[in-house]
Amino acid sequence: DIQMTQSPSFLSASVGDRVTINCKASQNINRYLNWYQQKLGEAPKLLIYNANSLQTGIPSRFSGSGSGTDFTLTISSLQPEDVATYFCLQHNSWPRTFGAGTKLELK
Amino acid sequence: EVQLVESGGGLVQPGRSLKLSCVASGFTFSNYGMNWIRQAPGKGLEWVAYISSGSSYIYYAETVKGRFTISRDNAKNTLYLQMTSLRSEDTALYYCARGGQRFDYWGQGVMVTVSS
Repeated sequence: DIQMTQSPSFLSASVGDRVTINCKASQNINRYLNWYQQKLGEAPKLLIYNANSLQTGIPSRFSGSGSGTDFTLTISSLQPEDVATYFCLQHNSWPRTFGAGTKLELK
Repeated sequence: EVQLVESGGGLVQPGRSLKLSCVASGFTFSNYGMNWIRQAPGKGLEWVAYISSGSSYIYYAETVKGRFTISRDNAKNTLYLQMTSLRSEDTALYYCARGGQRFDYWGQGVMVTVSS
């Protein structure tokens, strides 16, 4: 199985900050990585698919990059509504595997 | 509008069975593979099972293989998860999600609690 190592586990940042979250795959997954946002008590929401494609309706301050084993989610200017937990998902092979999550809070 | 609505959860004793349903609307259900994903209280996401659009391809997580069965009825726009030999570690919020690659729409989840 492909292991997804996500970092950091916890992140505190101020409104307007640039925020980066990382996922590292245990083997090459090409660009088959998605990013999700999960707010408290809600279902996950797809932000980025195939490493760098912005899902329809998602603000452009969210972006993704990377390929192979190393991937990054960037929020260019943090907004209060971005407080949430963020997960990555690899869809290169079965079983699909998620990162453990990054909890983002406001400083 | 795409909607996925799960049902069938509840409190069940260890070793017993439970069947979850996920009713889809707002898209052509028969065109999409579907997944079950779970989230234990306070924990991260764990993919559980996948079924292709025509049920030809089915995959399971090792943690549920042999105990859970995913199925679908395209005429009823409904996805199912039959869970048997339930264990305390199966306690989680169970989500259905669309697609084998994007997982682009998720339901709100249904809670399954396995306890005596």
